[in-house]
Amino acid sequence: QVHLVESGGGVVQPGTSLRLSCAASGFYFSYYGMFWVRQAPGKGLEWVTLISYDGNNVYYGDFVGGRFTVSRDNSKNTVYLQMTSLTIEDTAIYYCGRGHAAARGYFFEHWGQGTLVTVSS
Amino acid sequence: AVRMTQSPSSLSTSAGGRVTVTCRASQSIDGYLAWYQKKPGKVPKLLIYAASTLQSGVPSRFSGSGSGTEFTLTISSLQAEDFATYYCQQYYDYPLTFGGGTKVEIE
Repeated sequence: QVHLVESGGGVVQPGTSLRLSCAASGFYFSYYGMFWVRQAPGKGLEWVTLISYDGNNVYYGDFVGGRFTVSRDNSKNTVYLQMTSLTIEDTAIYYCGRGHAAARGYFFEHWGQGTLVTVSS
Repeated sequence: AVRMTQSPSSLSTSAGGRVTVTCRASQSIDGYLAWYQKKPGKVPKLLIYAASTLQSGVPSRFSGSGSGTEFTLTISSLQAEDFATYYCQQYYDYPLTFGGGTKVEIE
């Protein structure tokens, strides 16, 4: 059974950095692309990033602007999201998940429970 | 970026009613569209992918249709557990994008 557990969320000040982790189990991690999607309070779902199964291809939402970096360690079944230059607008629940590769892109098949990131002074 | 526009943004209906949500893409995305259900405090749930393929375990009262730029999600007979916000998502091109959501509320 697919199991995804995010960690690393918390309260941080604007301009600082934070690294989120997502530990995966129950499937062959190295075979799957992994994503991060966020939801700000009272807002809709917003795709953040996706990393291919081998880490060779990464994609980001337009709002990221070079501030976030996704990576993965297939030996640890873990995907990471390094976030820098955080702003109040980055306050959200961050979900990681396993993507399902289609011919052109991915949809989001399995989701973790999410971790809350609050950016506040 | 492909812009996804959902309508309506919210709707009210009674249990047993039929619900139709529309999602329009700013350019053709063929059939690369998924639908998700999101309840407050819960994890998003994949309902439909490839515009009309029901995800395993999703009740058959949910259905999807469309291709190109216009898509619909239909719930044939709304149950109490279906009151939620529904999102479409295109995976035709990067950046991957969601619609703004449609909140289905009890009347």
